[in-house]
Order: sequence, then structure tokens, then C-alpha cells
Amino acid sequence: NAGVMQNPRHLVRRRGQEARLRCSPMKGHSHVYWYRQLPEEGLKFMVYLQKENIIDESGMPKERFSAEFPKEGPSILRIQQVVRGDSAAYFCASSPPSVTEAFFGQGTRLTVV
Amino acid sequence: QKEVEQNSGPLSVPEGAIASLNCTYSDRGSQSFFWYRQYSGKSPELIMFIYSNGDKEDGRFTAQLNKASQYVSLLIRDSQPSDSATYLCAVLSGTYKYIFGTGTRLKVLA
Repeated sequence: NAGVMQNPRHLVRRRGQEARLRCSPMKGHSHVYWYRQLPEEGLKFMVYLQKENIIDESGMPKERFSAEFPKEGPSILRIQQVVRGDSAAYFCASSPPSVTEAFFGQGTRLTVV
Repeated sequence: QKEVEQNSGPLSVPEGAIASLNCTYSDRGSQSFFWYRQYSGKSPELIMFIYSNGDKEDGRFTAQLNKASQYVSLLIRDSQPSDSATYLCAVLSGTYKYIFGTGTRLKVLA
């Protein structure tokens, strides 16, 4: 049973470009969470999704950031017009329904140059 | 006041000693608590979770929870150099949102 799969592992974007981060949850997990970790800081909640639904996006910046979890395919975190401050590690986690323990993917390290 | 507080360390212990990592939280209504280990440049790995007051043991790890004091700790017995990592305390806010501390860096000296 593969773990939570994220790709790419490393992503370099120039300022103003778009970044797309993908997350495939563990088999049997229908809940996906995205967290961001800035250097020397803890992980911050961004968004919680179930299939085809955004349940809580209270941690997402109001502009430029969006997330989806379609019926088929991975969850996508999209950052438009990236700025240097978006450079961070973005982690996806998944869990089955009604289970509080979440398992994290390897993360995508975004560098904006 | 931060919602979840941890001493950033580094906490240095000799090989074979007991490492004690501490965490306090502000939300009295919190019910679920987690310890994650994160090696440098890697993802957080779930080590322990605890829901009830008292101790919970798993191998060399013991999680301790005191809800009255809003305090949760992780003890690592017989510490090994491979235990050197950052340990993240997380508290479940509501039913799905983890609030993480900034982590304690542990160094186990050979």
C-alpha cells in the first residue's frame, strides 16, 4: 500500500509563474489536507478537501491560491503568479473518513527565483 | 500566546539516555494529541497519538498527557543517534485541523 504521493518533489518557478502541486492520497483515504512549512517554522494548515468538495480553506491566502480534489485524479494545489514569499515546503496529508490520524507525503519544495 | 508551544532546542542527550520533549497547548477543549518526527528535509512521520490522560507506551516511546495542565510530553528511552530529528507536537482543533508547534530539535550524542 503506497503512502501519500506528492509530485514534484522539487519545483522551481520564476516570479509571476504558476505552480501546480499534486497529491495522491493513500488507498482508501478520501480526505486530503494541505499544509505549508516555512523555513524554521511549524506546519500551518491551509485547506481540507474531500472528493469534489472543499471543506475548510480557512488557512489559504485569499488571492492566488486554490485547491481542488476532483472525483478522479490527484488533489491539486495551485499557486498563481508566485512570489518569493511562496517559497516553502508544501505537505499533503490524507486520512480515511472518521479517523483523526493523518499521514503525510514527502512534500513539494517550492523555490521561487 | 501561541496555540501550541514547544521549546525549539536543541535538546542534547547522550546515547542511551532518556530524552524528554514537552509541549503545552492553549485550547482546553482539545482532545487529540500527536507527536511527529521530522528529519531534516523530510516529511513528518507519525510516532504516537494520545487521547486520554496518563501514559501511553509504544516501544521506546512514551507519550504523557495531562489535560488539566494542558501539557503533553514524549519520552524516548535508550536514545539512539538515529533519533536525532525535530519532534513536532500537534493538537487536533475540532475534528480535522492539526495545530502544530514549531518543533524541538533533538540531538543524540554518540
